Amino acid sequence: KQEVTQIPAALSVPEGENLVLNCSFTDSAIYNLQWFRQDPGKGLTSLLLIQSSQREQTSGRLNASLDKSSGRSTLYIAASQPGDSATYLCAVPASGTYKYIFGTGTRLKVLA
Amino acid sequence: KAGVTQTPRYLIKTRGQQVTLSCSPISGHRSVSWYQQTPGQGLQFLFEYFSETQRNKGNFPGRFSGRQFSNSRSEMNVSTLELGDSALYLCASSLGGALGYEQYFGPGTRLTVT
Repeated sequence: KQEVTQIPAALSVPEGENLVLNCSFTDSAIYNLQWFRQDPGKGLTSLLLIQSSQREQTSGRLNASLDKSSGRSTLYIAASQPGDSATYLCAVPASGTYKYIFGTGTRLKVLA
Repeated sequence: KAGVTQTPRYLIKTRGQQVTLSCSPISGHRSVSWYQQTPGQGLQFLFEYFSETQRNKGNFPGRFSGRQFSNSRSEMNVSTLELGDSALYLCASSLGGALGYEQYFGPGTRLTVT
């Protein structure tokens, strides 16, 4: 059964700092992994999608890596800004299904 | 291109009532998934539809049901509401067909059961 864990649960950093968010999954037979951000009371915004054949994806100040063999993905945020404050979630599909399993998220606060 | 839309955005219902939520996917997307989000359980998968067929279902009681129409719009229904059904209900759309497509989420419907 696929389980997804995100560490840390919460993170507070000063503006300008580079930071890394972690996502671990138990079943390495994943098709892809997607990172999202969620602002309080809002829906999810897709940040990056990494296919199983890829090692990393980049979008602006964001870089996500995927290591299937170790069951890990990291989201690197460069030069953090207060506008980056949100909850970050990762999700993977349960093996062979269209059911996505989400981690519990990392709540990020970037202080001005 | 318009994003995923969900209606209504907010809803207050009484225990025992039923409710229907609606989701319109991004134009051209044929897969719609529904999720329940609560502070205690996080995001939990309800069901996924593609071309009017339910392909996967999560571990929710039969009071939760859904359907998809030929234009890919989807509805979910919750009958005999319980206090524990209070949650943010999110739908996501993707091109579908096969695994691997990016999911796009709507703003959600906030359901409060009193």
